Amino acid sequence: GESVGLHLPTLSVQEGDNSIINCAYSNSASDYFIWYKQESGKGPQFIIDIRSNMDKRQGQRVTVLLNKTVKHLSLQIAATQPGDSAVYFCAETINFGNEKLTFGTGTRLTIIP
Amino acid sequence: DAGVIQSPRHEVTEMGQEVTLRCKPISGHNSLFWYRQTMMRGLELLIYFNNNVPIDDSGMPEDRFSAKMPNASFSTLKIQPSEPRDSAVYFCASSLRPGSGNTIYFGEGSWLTVV
Repeated sequence: GESVGLHLPTLSVQEGDNSIINCAYSNSASDYFIWYKQESGKGPQFIIDIRSNMDKRQGQRVTVLLNKTVKHLSLQIAATQPGDSAVYFCAETINFGNEKLTFGTGTRLTIIP
Repeated sequence: DAGVIQSPRHEVTEMGQEVTLRCKPISGHNSLFWYRQTMMRGLELLIYFNNNVPIDDSGMPEDRFSAKMPNASFSTLKIQPSEPRDSAVYFCASSLRPGSGNTIYFGEGSWLTVV
C-alpha cells in the first residue's frame, strides 16, 4: 500500500550548521503534512505543518518545504543546537479534516558539538 | 496544561497475561488516538475516537486488542492475552477537532515488554 518514507535514516550535523531532513510520500491525494520531533524516551512533539496549497512555511528556526510535483517534503532547521538531536517524523493525511495520520519511518538527527 | 497523561510508563508482563494501558487526554480535546511504535513498523495508528465514539479501529491488530473510552477524560487499551510480539511503546494522543487542524498532542508513552 502507499506509505510515507524517508530518504535518510540518520543525519549528523555540526552544531550551528543548518540541517535538512527529507521525506518522500507516495499518496498523491495527501494534502496536509506535519513534522514531529521525538526525543529519546518521549512522545512525538509537533513542530510545524503545511497544507498542500502552500509550498513553504516558516516557524522559529524551522522551515518546511513541499514539492507536490515530486511528492517531496523537507524540514530545514537553522543554526542547529544540541537540543535538536532527536528523531524527526513526517506525517501525512488525505485532507485537512482527516485525523488519520500516516507517519514516516523517521530520521535520526545527531548534532555534533 | 498537564498534557496527555499515560499510565503505566513501563510494564513488564508474562505472556498470556492481561495488560491494560490508560490514558487521560488533554482537557477539552474531543479526539483521542492510540498509536503503537516499534522499530520494525514505526508509528502505527491502532484506533481513534471522536467524542468518545470509536471512528476507525482498522489498525487494531487482532481480537486480542480492545479499546474503550467511557468518558471524555479517560481511555483504556487492553491486550488479552498478551504475546511477546506485542512488546512496543504505546502512545496515546489527543486533539481538538475541528479548529486546530490535525495538531495531535502525544503522551510520553507506555513501554510494554511481554516476556
